Amino acid sequence: DAGITQSPRHKVTETGTPVTLRCHQTENHRYMYWYRQDPGHGLRLIHYSYGVKDTDKGEVSDGYSVSRSKTEDFLLTLESATSSQTSVYFCAITFEGRAFFGQGTRLTVV
Amino acid sequence: QQQVKQSPQSLIVQKGGISIINCAYENTAFDYFPWYQQFPGKGPALLIAIRPDVSEKKEGRFTISFNKSAKQFSLHIMDSQPGDSATYFCAASRGSSNTGKLIFGQGTTLQVKP
Repeated sequence: DAGITQSPRHKVTETGTPVTLRCHQTENHRYMYWYRQDPGHGLRLIHYSYGVKDTDKGEVSDGYSVSRSKTEDFLLTLESATSSQTSVYFCAITFEGRAFFGQGTRLTVV
Repeated sequence: QQQVKQSPQSLIVQKGGISIINCAYENTAFDYFPWYQQFPGKGPALLIAIRPDVSEKKEGRFTISFNKSAKQFSLHIMDSQPGDSATYFCAASRGSSNTGKLIFGQGTTLQVKP
């Protein structure tokens, strides 16, 4: 799992509430990524980071924000959760030119 | 706009058979093509990857075939086993520093029957 820990692993939240997902890595990797996985779409990149306080948007960034104040932590925030954000969220890092994914967080917005 | 198209959506193969999954891409700037394997409840795990300077790469029972002119690449699983039953994703990226900025195919669910 390349030293990646995602928390929480499961969450149910109500529409309109803010939600923050955490990705923690222990190997001092520079690059970190947030993806969402939905049936029929594979995985799609939400945001990514090239270092502390250095983040950029991915393919499906609307409704999401990220922060990286420490190398080891990459936070994904849904400012006001909607039902369309019900998904499985994966954090990833790159090491030696290859991407490694965490175990995922299943988020349900009701 | 789907930049990487994967087929078939699902596949059933007998034990010992060959599983073949195909992907087609649009962006000729892509220069890294990995395949990921995912079991239920787990994150995707890198299986094998290829760059466009070679037409084939083999690792154990897994082979990637790459056709640059056709903008297609495929995964072949030889001697398929029930333990290979999983979802497989092809992906693509551009730039040596962007191997984490992946465009994924839609996924193929493989079932290998004993």
